[in-house]
Amino acid sequence: GAVVSQHPSWVICKSGTSVKIECRSLDFQATTMFWYRQFPKQSLMLMATSNEGSKATYEQGVEKDKFLINHASLTLSTLTVTSAHPEDSSFYICSARATRGLARRVPYNEQFFGPGTRLTVL
Amino acid sequence: GQSLEQPSEVTAVEGAIVQINCTYQTSGFYGLSWYQQHDGGAPTFLSYNALDGLEETGRFSSFLSRSDSYGYLLLQELQMKDSASYFCAVLVLTMNTGFQKLVFGTGTRLLVSP
Repeated sequence: GAVVSQHPSWVICKSGTSVKIECRSLDFQATTMFWYRQFPKQSLMLMATSNEGSKATYEQGVEKDKFLINHASLTLSTLTVTSAHPEDSSFYICSARATRGLARRVPYNEQFFGPGTRLTVL
Repeated sequence: GQSLEQPSEVTAVEGAIVQINCTYQTSGFYGLSWYQQHDGGAPTFLSYNALDGLEETGRFSSFLSRSDSYGYLLLQELQMKDSASYFCAVLVLTMNTGFQKLVFGTGTRLLVSP
């Protein structure tokens, strides 16, 4: 249990195009999902907190018009990188905090991470 | 804002014990988590401390001192497969939204040699 998937696992696109990344919780419901970005050999930087049915909360310095987040259901959040440029090339990772659906007792704080999406913008 | 500091790299041999320290400065602190990440992979949860003291889970233990804003991850009986990056992360409450979020430290690269 507690599996989070991301699709695609990697994507290469041309500069100026938009890319959508999906994050799904497969066996539990998550009212809150998080999007992180990680550059090589660096830490995970929180970009935004996504809450089902409401607007995402973006961290300081993250452009909400460039990184569109939609959390339309309790098992799906999407991140769209609009008009991508080479500097947006990075490893994008989502995570989900379980609210219900897990048979085993899960620490309240535990976040389950997806496998990540490697974005390369040419 | 938040700041977390960890050593950038630690080296050790198989079978040894290693301690990775984490100091933090933040408001709205709930607890301290530790995550392991192998190259190219996703972070995996190791431990969480909300209260002062030591939490033990198999070969890994984690410690927290809230008064010192300090914690550490202790890895015992090191194995080659433990070579990875280890991140401390603080769980904090964002006052303007009421939501909790994880903020990650700089990460420590652990290299275990034979």
